[in-house]
Amino acid sequence: KQEVTQIPAALSVPEGENLVLNCSFTDSAIYNLQWFRQDPGKGLTSLLLIQSSQREQTSGRLNASLDKSSGRSTLYIAASQPGDSATYLCAVVENTGNQFYFGTGTSLTVIP
Amino acid sequence: SQTIHQWPATLVQPVGSPLSLECTVEGTSNPNLYWYRQAAGRGLQLLFYSVGIGQISSEVPQNLSASRPQDRQFILSSKKLLLSDSGFYLCAWRRGAKNIQYFGAGTRLSVL
Repeated sequence: KQEVTQIPAALSVPEGENLVLNCSFTDSAIYNLQWFRQDPGKGLTSLLLIQSSQREQTSGRLNASLDKSSGRSTLYIAASQPGDSATYLCAVVENTGNQFYFGTGTSLTVIP
Repeated sequence: SQTIHQWPATLVQPVGSPLSLECTVEGTSNPNLYWYRQAAGRGLQLLFYSVGIGQISSEVPQNLSASRPQDRQFILSSKKLLLSDSGFYLCAWRRGAKNIQYFGAGTRLSVL
């Protein structure tokens, strides 16, 4: 069974810093990988989707990379802002395309 | 554009009472639909998914059931709630295996 781990569990940085969030998974036979953010008590908002054949995806200040062979993905946030404070979750979709496995998330606080 | 609706937003129910949570999607047809539970301090757990009307796949044995009576309607039910059913329930949809998964705002269920 796929296991997804996110490190660190919590992160606090001053505004303006660049930061990296990590996601690792145990089974490299994935269909794609998706990064989400979740604000307290809210649903999930999709940030980036990386297909298994891709190495990275970019959206604004966000860049996500995927290394299937090593079972790792990173989410890079440039020039962090207080509005980026949220929990960031990665989800791995296994090969049949319907099983989603979520990590427990990284809680990010950006200090003004 | 597509939207996903979940209700109610919060629910407090006594142990042993029934449950019905509803999720509907607008602006698309034949979506893949998903029910997740997020317990305090734990990651999202996939409960059920559906690729079509009347087609339900269950991921974990539990006290809950799901139904899809219409193409864009997904219902999560229980005949008798347990304390352990408390959590944050999220509905999600996507158009196909390669595509982004979109989440509803969630239902906070407290079983007392």
